[in-house]
Amino acid sequence: GQQVMQIPQYQHVQEGEDFTTYCNSSTTLSNIQWYKQRPGGHPVFLIQLVKSGEVKKQKRLTFQFGEAKKNSSLHITATQTTDVGTYFCAAYLNQFYFGTGTSLTVIP
Amino acid sequence: DAGVTQSPTHLIKTRGQQVTLRCSPISGHKSVSWYQQVLGQGPQFIFQYYEKEERGRGNFPDRFSARQFPNYSSELNVNALLLGDSALYLCASSLYPIGNYGYTFGSGTRLTVV
Repeated sequence: GQQVMQIPQYQHVQEGEDFTTYCNSSTTLSNIQWYKQRPGGHPVFLIQLVKSGEVKKQKRLTFQFGEAKKNSSLHITATQTTDVGTYFCAAYLNQFYFGTGTSLTVIP
Repeated sequence: DAGVTQSPTHLIKTRGQQVTLRCSPISGHKSVSWYQQVLGQGPQFIFQYYEKEERGRGNFPDRFSARQFPNYSSELNVNALLLGDSALYLCASSLYPIGNYGYTFGSGTRLTVV
């Protein structure tokens, strides 16, 4: 069964608006990774979170790991057209399970 | 430095046939993982190899097999192809199995079964 769920499945935003995707698991996670996949491309590693409550930033991207280590979020501030793609979380539970992904469309 | 290379990039096979996909990891990476990605879905884990030994197997039938060679390259074999095997097959390499620094994916092999 699906180990890692992501919401929303799709998100359309106007350029300049913020965007958030959420990743949820019923199981406590040892770590979580985030990937971005451009249309027609392959997943590209963004970041790994390990500690409870951890927050990491990469320019306009903010990643957070929940206190209970069962959920995570990715927030993009002031989206740009270059942010278009599908964002996946991946959690290690004896193997890496990828979430269902959130497809982001940015309208210029 | 070459990234993860996969071959072939595209492949069309007939139901019942067998296919072999190849992957060369980043130099120095000893772990290779295989994923299947159906259109519109997240990658599904198939196998992981580390130091030439199988470290994990996903929920795939025995028609799927893989191996890792002494130079850490890897092959994924799929026998008795079904229409449902049509997908993008991704290879990912990392220094260690858990991929503490993330997995680096190849561009994938697009397999179409007709």
